[in-house]
Amino acid sequence: KAGVTQTPRYLIKTRGQQVTLSCSPISGHRSVSWYQQTPGQGLQFLFEYFSETQRNKGNFPGRFSGRQFSNSRSEMNVSTLELGDSALYLCASSRETNEKLFFGSGTQLSVL
Amino acid sequence: GDSVTQMEGPVTLSEEAFLTINCTYTATGYPSLFWYVQYPGEGLQLLLKATKADDKGSNKGFEATYRKETTSFHLEKGSVQVSDSAVYFCALRGPSGNTPLVFGKGTRLSVIA
Repeated sequence: KAGVTQTPRYLIKTRGQQVTLSCSPISGHRSVSWYQQTPGQGLQFLFEYFSETQRNKGNFPGRFSGRQFSNSRSEMNVSTLELGDSALYLCASSRETNEKLFFGSGTQLSVL
Repeated sequence: GDSVTQMEGPVTLSEEAFLTINCTYTATGYPSLFWYVQYPGEGLQLLLKATKADDKGSNKGFEATYRKETTSFHLEKGSVQVSDSAVYFCALRGPSGNTPLVFGKGTRLSVIA
């Protein structure tokens, strides 16, 4: 069974640009969550989607947005990138909202 | 709001040493508690969990006991191996189960032969 797949693995952008990250959950999983991981702040929750609906949202500015498609694949978008957005972005999926999370390897975003 | 505090790293141990990584939490009610592990270049994996007071979670020689009276969930292993080198995260989920996982900042463990 394939795991959670995140693309791309690495990304380099400059300030002011926008970026879209992709996450394909494990087959049969309907819930997708996104986390931002930085050395200083650890893992910070961004948002959670279940069956195309946003269930929970973390305390991030509106520049961070996401969506989920009918096949459960999810994307997150960051507009007007700032240096502080440099981080590892992790996606996790589960069958239902409160079940065990399976994490992808993440997308390492560097903003120059 | 809910929060998790875990000991600062990095922690460096010799092979076969005893490991303790402290974790305390602040939450209303009775949250579920978790330990996740992140190996280099990989995402997080669930290591163990406990869902009610006095429960002991265990896996791969690691153990943690849910202590409501001290709001703690310390991770222990009797004899660490080089392959245990990773970052360990303590986390909680609120009693309703419908809130996102809240993570501690992680503790990096390095085990040397």
